[in-house]
Amino acid sequence: AQSVTQLDSHVSVSEGTPVLLRCNYSSSYSPSLFWYVQHPNKGLQLLLKYTSAATLVKGINGFEAEFKKSETSFHLTKPSAHMSDAAEYFCVVSDRDTGFQKLVFGTGTRLLVSP
Amino acid sequence: NAGVTQTPKFRVLKTGQSMTLLCAQDMNHEYMYWYRQDPGMGLRLIHYSVGEGTTAKGEVPDGYNVSRLKKQNFLLGLESAAPSQTSVYFCASSSPWAGGEQFFGPGTRLTVL
Repeated sequence: AQSVTQLDSHVSVSEGTPVLLRCNYSSSYSPSLFWYVQHPNKGLQLLLKYTSAATLVKGINGFEAEFKKSETSFHLTKPSAHMSDAAEYFCVVSDRDTGFQKLVFGTGTRLLVSP
Repeated sequence: NAGVTQTPKFRVLKTGQSMTLLCAQDMNHEYMYWYRQDPGMGLRLIHYSVGEGTTAKGEVPDGYNVSRLKKQNFLLGLESAAPSQTSVYFCASSSPWAGGEQFFGPGTRLTVL
């Protein structure tokens, strides 16, 4: 079965400093991986997705993630945090690579950005 | 294009009461989902549907029922609400050709007293 582990429940950064949110996955095949963001009292929005094309994936708002099969990781990064990045971030893996796909969510990482 | 909408946004129930949450999507998506979100647990799949007239159980289906009579709508029912069903409920939809990406509604915050 597929699973994801988000290694930090909370990450605190200062505005203008780099962001690193860590995610490890477990999958029996080459998975599809996603990062979603949830701002307070809002629904989830897709940041980026990896579907076996380029291993470095660029998303919205300056975020990117690198798929590393040897490390089973899909960490999310951003060079310079902005106050508006404060939100909860979910790493997600799909349960298959074709046809109907169920998503398996990590438990989330709350990103706090201080001035 | 409203995307995925949910009704209502907030609701407070007493134990034993029933209610229905409505999800609607205008993207002509085949697949629809209901999740619940609880602190520290991410999102967990309650039920899903792969097409009009079909539904299936997800990870945490007990105490819930669903129906998909029209392609654009997916209803989640609680027949006899319990305090353990206090949660935020999210509906989502997706296309078979979108590489697994799901589009989420804004959520319904439900409190059961």
